[in-house]
Amino acid sequence: DTEVTQTPKHLVMGMTNKKSLKCEQHMGHRAMYWYKQKAKKPPELMFVYSYEKLSINESVPSRFSPECPNSSLLNLHLHALQPEDSALYLCASSQEVGQINYGYTFGSGTRLTVV
Amino acid sequence: GQNIDQPTEMTATEGAIVQINCTYQTSGFNGLFWYQQHAGEAPTFLSYNVLDGLEEKGRFSSFLSRSKGYSYLLLKELQMKDSASYLCAVRDAGKSTFGDGTTLTVKP
Repeated sequence: DTEVTQTPKHLVMGMTNKKSLKCEQHMGHRAMYWYKQKAKKPPELMFVYSYEKLSINESVPSRFSPECPNSSLLNLHLHALQPEDSALYLCASSQEVGQINYGYTFGSGTRLTVV
Repeated sequence: GQNIDQPTEMTATEGAIVQINCTYQTSGFNGLFWYQQHAGEAPTFLSYNVLDGLEEKGRFSSFLSRSKGYSYLLLKELQMKDSASYLCAVRDAGKSTFGDGTTLTVKP
């Protein structure tokens, strides 16, 4: 299995809703990442998990809450989002944070629309 | 801070060769990646350079000069399916920062 699987593929939520994005990989990768990408812009790093521990939080607002229940799963919990949070949310994994020669494997993303 | 520059757009002809440049100024450096991203899809990993020189992978090659803060991606025998955005990313302290990407259009 050489894929990163993200669910759901599309999500529409209201500003008062609570929802979660899910990401799963079975490649034995020990580093997992959340990126946010707006249209025609590059991915922007949000969070890095290394060995199931949060190692980098790029000053992301608290309405985004990551969780890594085990080495294969990464969640992003969403609460009280704003319309400007609408974007493509990409999950990625790599062998280890320090072992980088194979780059990231990205999931296909969740396209989030906040109404 | 990180500053990564790439041309915004390039156009080339099917069967030709195109070189996409990337210059960077970063506080640290643990490697440079190139990714391909088709519209509406996730990025896919193309290449990685950490030492100076040329890395070749089939039709794609990537070059790095650390002293000049410069890399390029060379695409040979262009095909229509190579029309995509090409992202340069620099790795530092466990995270990658992406350039704005170069949109390549391949014409018949």
